[in-house]
Amino acid sequence: EPEVTQTPSHQVTQMGQEVILRCVPISNHLYFYWYRQILGQKVEFLVSFYNNEISEKSEIFDDQFSVERPDGSNFTLKIRSTKLEDSAMYFCASSPGQFFGPGTRLTVL
Amino acid sequence: AQTVTQSQPEMSVQEAETVTLSCTYDTSESDYYLFWYKQPPSRQMILVIRQEAYKQQNATENRFSVNFQKAAKSFSLKISDSQLGDAAMYFCAYRSDFGENYKLSFGAGTTVTVRA
Repeated sequence: EPEVTQTPSHQVTQMGQEVILRCVPISNHLYFYWYRQILGQKVEFLVSFYNNEISEKSEIFDDQFSVERPDGSNFTLKIRSTKLEDSAMYFCASSPGQFFGPGTRLTVL
Repeated sequence: AQTVTQSQPEMSVQEAETVTLSCTYDTSESDYYLFWYKQPPSRQMILVIRQEAYKQQNATENRFSVNFQKAAKSFSLKISDSQLGDAAMYFCAYRSDFGENYKLSFGAGTTVTVRA
């Protein structure tokens, strides 16, 4: 069964460093998403991506964040200068069907 | 923005018994989708069941079923014959069917504990 994959599973970084979270959506899916879940809180929408451009972004998705589809399979989320409050689980999802990847746990020290 | 409310932070159920999780949502749209996701301790998001708003028939998936009340904007999840593996956080989610952005709006979640 096709699935969304994400790497790494856990990323530890120092405050101020750049991180890139990677996702491989399900083949033939056209809509891609990033969500964030701070520990103990609900899952929050960050950004959606369609036809090689951002279709919607939330207030959380400020200038420190960017997304890219560098090739036909990968979908990346970059945080330019991480803050302590960026520590969270980051989920990639693809549609149709809103299938989620296993998540990347980001810890900012 | 659509608001999804899960009013039960925690629910406990005896193994083999039934538990119902509530979810209400606020929308002015007529076409949309509703979902229940399960998040076990691994924190992976697993789709449990989904419901199209235009369908009157309630969705079922093995031991999981929903009670969709469109007029009341209510979407509850019933877990029958509860098993220890059902212990997890359950999130209700809403997705608009308007436009091309199919983002999900989530509720705060309900933690389900299953007693042996």
